[in-house]
Amino acid sequence: AQTVTQSQPEMSVQEAETVTLSCTYDTSENNYYLFWYKQPPSRQMILVIRQEAYKQQNATENRFSVNFQKAAKSFSLKISDSQLGDTAMYFCAFMKHMNSGNTPLVFGKGTRLSVIA
Amino acid sequence: DAEITQSPRHKITETGRQVTLACHQTWNHNNMFWYRQDLGHGLRLIHYSYGVQDTNKGEVSDGYSVSRSNTEDLPLTLESAASSQTSVYFCASSGGQNTGELFFGEGSRLTVL
Repeated sequence: AQTVTQSQPEMSVQEAETVTLSCTYDTSENNYYLFWYKQPPSRQMILVIRQEAYKQQNATENRFSVNFQKAAKSFSLKISDSQLGDTAMYFCAFMKHMNSGNTPLVFGKGTRLSVIA
Repeated sequence: DAEITQSPRHKITETGRQVTLACHQTWNHNNMFWYRQDLGHGLRLIHYSYGVQDTNKGEVSDGYSVSRSNTEDLPLTLESAASSQTSVYFCASSGGQNTGELFFGEGSRLTVL
């Protein structure tokens, strides 16, 4: 079974600074997707960024980017120019892709990020 | 706009009672999922469905059941609620095979006394 590990339960960053959240995963599969989801205090789950394993180029979405290291099975999230609204719980997630359909997402335990003014 | 809704948003019940959490989506998605969120555990998969009449057990399915009689709904039933089932429950859906993106409901907080 696939596992996702987020080794940083809590982190903090000063407003406007850059922060990196770590995620590692364990799988024997070659075709899969990786995700970062954000959960602000409102409890709503919001997709931040998505990476297909077959793509070597790291995904970016505005201030959010990932460092995808397939051989190391590492998938870190970098948040640049941190804003107070980035304060949230961040979950890393893994999904195996199959021709017959995708498997359910497997989530890490989360990293609680606090952005400090 | 299409959406996914959960009800009730908050519920308090007693040990041993049957509880059903509703989940309704209007995207016409085939795939629907139930997760529970607990401090220190992240989100754990309870049950999921890939279409009408299809249901599958997830990582923490004991004490829970689901049924899928139509595309829009996947109710989650706790047959005999236990204090260990106090949690926040999230329903999610996805439609495309290629994107994998989940669309989440707003969560249902269940307290079992």
